[in-house]
Amino acid sequence: DSGVTQTPKHLITATGQRVTLRCSPRSGDLSVYWYQQSLDQGLQFLIQYYNGEERAKGNILERFSAQQFPDLHSELNLSSLELGDSALYFCASSEDPGVVGYTFGSGTRLTVV
Amino acid sequence: AQKITQTQPGMFVQEKEAVTLDCTYDTSDQSYGLFWYKQPSSGEMIFLIYQGSYDEQNATEGRYSLNFQKARKSANLVISASQLGDSAMYFCAMRLHGQNFVFGPGTRLSVLP
Repeated sequence: DSGVTQTPKHLITATGQRVTLRCSPRSGDLSVYWYQQSLDQGLQFLIQYYNGEERAKGNILERFSAQQFPDLHSELNLSSLELGDSALYFCASSEDPGVVGYTFGSGTRLTVV
Repeated sequence: AQKITQTQPGMFVQEKEAVTLDCTYDTSDQSYGLFWYKQPSSGEMIFLIYQGSYDEQNATEGRYSLNFQKARKSANLVISASQLGDSAMYFCAMRLHGQNFVFGPGTRLSVLP
């Protein structure tokens, strides 16, 4: 157990729907990162939060949004889902935005049908 | 822009043999961290080893070692005494200070009995 908890582990939903992915960071970590891993794009950085504030944005679509709550857990909201959004979504956490490594959660596998 | 290149889409190695997975990186920054992660078929991302750009010694973690050649901008992963459980995708990644990870496309390692 890495200490980073992601729920749900698997999600199957239809096109056009909206889903919420949840992440609880490792105890003491203030930064939360979201990554998308798809077959054709590899691991793509989506967004980072640090202590409740958005810190950096990557290749995140406008249909996607995220937030980090006061208890430091984070949610990634995906709306108007398309078949191409099917991917493994990772949450990771770290103590600070330095050069230290991330601790990854086990991911949420999203399948859009 | 930072970039990670892994030129070996797939590698085979005989059980108990050593294998080297290649990674080259591109950055003009002096301070950075280099990481290797393992992703088994179950999907989770497992941290293996870290090398800081100012570390003079090559990093080692058990059967994993990182062959760091700064002038060549390479950070190859060496796995000694391969085991069947080493079969997985391996990702090289770089992180600049205060920034997010950039991942390479990965190398799929298959260990043969």
